[in-house]
Amino acid sequence: RKEVEQDPGPFNVPEGATVAFNCTYSNSASQSFFWYRQDCRKEPKLLMSVYSSGNEDGRFTAQLNRASQYISLLIRDSKLSDSATYLCVVNKVPGGTSYGKLTFGQGTILTVHP
Amino acid sequence: DADVTQTPRNRITKTGKRIMLECSQTKGHDRMYWYRQDPGLGLRLIYYSFDVKDINKGEISDGYSVSRQAQAKFSLSLESAIPNQTALYFCATSDFAGSQPQHFGDGTRLSIL
Repeated sequence: RKEVEQDPGPFNVPEGATVAFNCTYSNSASQSFFWYRQDCRKEPKLLMSVYSSGNEDGRFTAQLNRASQYISLLIRDSKLSDSATYLCVVNKVPGGTSYGKLTFGQGTILTVHP
Repeated sequence: DADVTQTPRNRITKTGKRIMLECSQTKGHDRMYWYRQDPGLGLRLIYYSFDVKDINKGEISDGYSVSRQAQAKFSLSLESAIPNQTALYFCATSDFAGSQPQHFGDGTRLSIL
C-alpha cells in the first residue's frame, strides 16, 4: 500500500463547478498535512495546510479525518486558473522524533473548461 | 529574486558524465531536500539535510551524492549519469520541524542520452 494515495483523475469540470479531491495516508503517526498545487512543468507550491478542525481559504476548504486517515480538498466555483495538479502531502515522523519528512501523493489532475 | 534557486534549469548530457545540480536559498532555512519527479511516480526524495553537518538518504539515493557546503547551499551530484536518471529535479527548503511546509525551486530538467 502506498503511503499517500490519491485518485489521479483527471477531473474535467466546467467553470463554476464544485470539485472534491480525497487522499488517504497509511501512517497513523502522521502529524502535518498539506495540499500543494503544481502547474505543468513548474514547481509545487503550497496551496494550504490542513488543520484538524478543517480550514477554509476563499474557495478552498480542506478537511482532515484522522480516524479514517484521509484528507480532502474542496474547490468551489472553479476557475479556469484552477487547472493544475493537486498534491496531497503528509508529514512523516520517523522514530517519534521532532524531525519529519514529507511524503507526496502522485497528484490529482484537474482541468477546468469554459 | 527567487528564494530557492536551482542551476542549471535545463541540462542535456551523455551517459557516463558527471553532473552537478546546485541549489541555493535565501530563506534562512536549515533544512534542504532534493527530489526527482517522473511522470506517474510523483515526487520522490533523494537526499535531505537538516543542517550543514547532517546528510540523510531518501528513498532513492542510489546513484546520487550530495554536499551541504553551507546553510544556504545544497548540491546534488550524479557521478556517472545513466539514462534512467532523466527526470525533473527539485530542490526544496523548510524551516526547523517537519510540521512546516517546504518551498521549492523552479526545477532542473535533466536529460541523459
